[in-house]
Formats: sequence, structure tokens, C-alpha cells
Amino acid sequence: GAGVSQTPSNKVTEKGKYVELRCDPISGHTALYWYRQSLGQGPEFLIYFQGTGAADDSGLPNDRFFAVRPEGSVSTLKIQRTERGDSAVYLCASSLTKDPGNEQFFGPGTRLTVL
Amino acid sequence: SQQGEEDPQALSIQEGENATMNCSYKTSINNLQWYRQNSGRGLVHLILIRSNEREKHSGRLRVTLDTSKKSSSLLITASRAADTASYFCATITIYNQGGKLIFGQGTELSVKP
Repeated sequence: GAGVSQTPSNKVTEKGKYVELRCDPISGHTALYWYRQSLGQGPEFLIYFQGTGAADDSGLPNDRFFAVRPEGSVSTLKIQRTERGDSAVYLCASSLTKDPGNEQFFGPGTRLTVL
Repeated sequence: SQQGEEDPQALSIQEGENATMNCSYKTSINNLQWYRQNSGRGLVHLILIRSNEREKHSGRLRVTLDTSKKSSSLLITASRAADTASYFCATITIYNQGGKLIFGQGTELSVKP
């Protein structure tokens, strides 16, 4: 079956604008994770969902960031009033369940550039 | 925040040589995982080692875990040019119920043909 897909692959926006990043997890995977990776760094956790609910949003940097997963499959990461410091690759991953022993499958990422 | 550190930050070797990367972490873990990343995009899971395991093998990969030192190493034997990539360790701490991964800074491996 298909892997995790993310759209768009690249997004260029201007400071102050609103953006939405989409993640389609592997079918049947109940856990979905968002990470952010800045150049030369390892990914940093943002939020994860078990089903429709956000189980842990402790990594969201501030209230400009919000994520939803209304039907327990596709998720959207929303960033309001973007800032240049938001520029990064946003990675999505899914796993069969939230069990720590489950492998996480990563999508190719969305590269966000805020001018 | 990052859980730990990896060293070296960059490693350059010749094809056929072995590559060893080290990872240290700070808090007690459920498990530790190694990932590979090409071209700064998607990550590929390589291997998972649980906190009660000391060594694990998968093909040319060998991972060790020393929970007393809070450290792990990844050994790639008989390296190939195609192994060129960034390698990250990631931990899941015992304080999390779910699969929240905390990544290190990564080691950039270059294998020259």
C-alpha cells in the first residue's frame, strides 16, 4: 500500500500569512505524529494524535500552531501569522498504534519557507 | 528540546570500511531507535532496541545499548557509497505513554567509493 504522503512538498509564503500543511497517513494507522526539522538539526516533536484526539501537544511552540485530525485519518497542521523562524521541513509520521514499540513511518515532508 | 547528542557530527570513510556512530541521551528510556535520512527529507526506520536489550543486529547494522551510561552505538559494517546519509538516534522515554520520539542532532556519514 501507499506510504505516508504530505502536501504540498514545498510551500513559500510571506511573513504574516496563514498556511495549512496536510498529512495522509498509512491506512489503518491510528497514531499520527508531526515533527519539525530545521536545517542541520534533528526533528523536533510537535504533536501526536491517537485517533481524532490530540494525545500530546506539548511540542507546539506557541498558539499560532494548531493541528486537527477530524476523522482520525488525514491531519492538517495550521500555522497562523507565519514568522521567518517557522521556516523548516515539517514531517509527518504514522504508526499502527501509539504503542512505543511500533515503528513510525515518515512522509517526505513539507519544506516551508517564510519570506 | 533534544534528548541527546550524537558523535561524531560528521564522518567520512572509504567504501568497505566500518562506520561507528554514537548517541547519548539524558532520561530513562522505553526504547531507542536509529533512523536514516537522505537529502534532508523523509526518515527511514533502521532498528529499534528496547531498554532491556544490550545488542541487536539487522543485516550489516549492529546496535548496542548501555543504559547505565545512557548511550548507544550504531555500527555499519562493510559500508557502501549508498550508505551516505544522515543518521539519527531517537528515544522514547518512560515518561511518555505514546510514541513521541526525541531525536539527537544526527551524524552525517559520507562513504567515498
